[in-house]
Amino acid sequence: GESVGLHLPTLSVQEGDNSIINCAYSNSASDYFIWYKQESGKGPQFIIDIRSNMDKRQGQRVTVLLNKTVKHLSLQIAATQPGDSAVYFCAEKGGNTGKLIFGQGTTLQVKP
Amino acid sequence: EPEVTQTPSHQVTQMGQEVILRCVPISNHLYFYWYRQILGQKVEFLVSFYNNEISEKSEIFDDQFSVERPDGSNFTLKIRSTKLEDSAMYFCASSEQTGELFFGEGSRLTVL
Repeated sequence: GESVGLHLPTLSVQEGDNSIINCAYSNSASDYFIWYKQESGKGPQFIIDIRSNMDKRQGQRVTVLLNKTVKHLSLQIAATQPGDSAVYFCAEKGGNTGKLIFGQGTTLQVKP
Repeated sequence: EPEVTQTPSHQVTQMGQEVILRCVPISNHLYFYWYRQILGQKVEFLVSFYNNEISEKSEIFDDQFSVERPDGSNFTLKIRSTKLEDSAMYFCASSEQTGELFFGEGSRLTVL
């Protein structure tokens, strides 16, 4: 069946370092991908998205890379800050109903 | 900034009782969703709703679940007879079109 997953459950980085969070997806027909950040006790918060006709998209301190050949998505956070500590989910859009399929999540821990 | 609001933030109920979780989506959005997240796990799709009808539902969304948009602003999720395994965070989301989903802060359901 279709699934979206993450390679590592926890990533620990030093404040100021760059972080890279990875995601593998299985549905090659998906055309829209989103990264969400979830802080403890809160709902998923949109970070950045990318459509399948692109391979890179940049936001403020964040970059999403999409490799459709190997069905891999990554989120790069530059100069990681303590406020970046959260669980990060990639999500894949399937069909035309807007339904998102979420990955398992990677916990990012930022050490001061 | 417009946001999705959910009530209650936490509900404790006895097994077998009916529960209604309420959501007020962002006002100009047309697509509405319910997701759930069991503690420590990924966010799972339950149902999507558009034009006053269900557009898609997952296998989790069985006959015990129903959704309704009783007026122009509220979007509700009803669980008819709660089970222990229904304990989770329930997130409402909305989107303008089938793009970025905006999530609420969630309603924690505890079934005893």
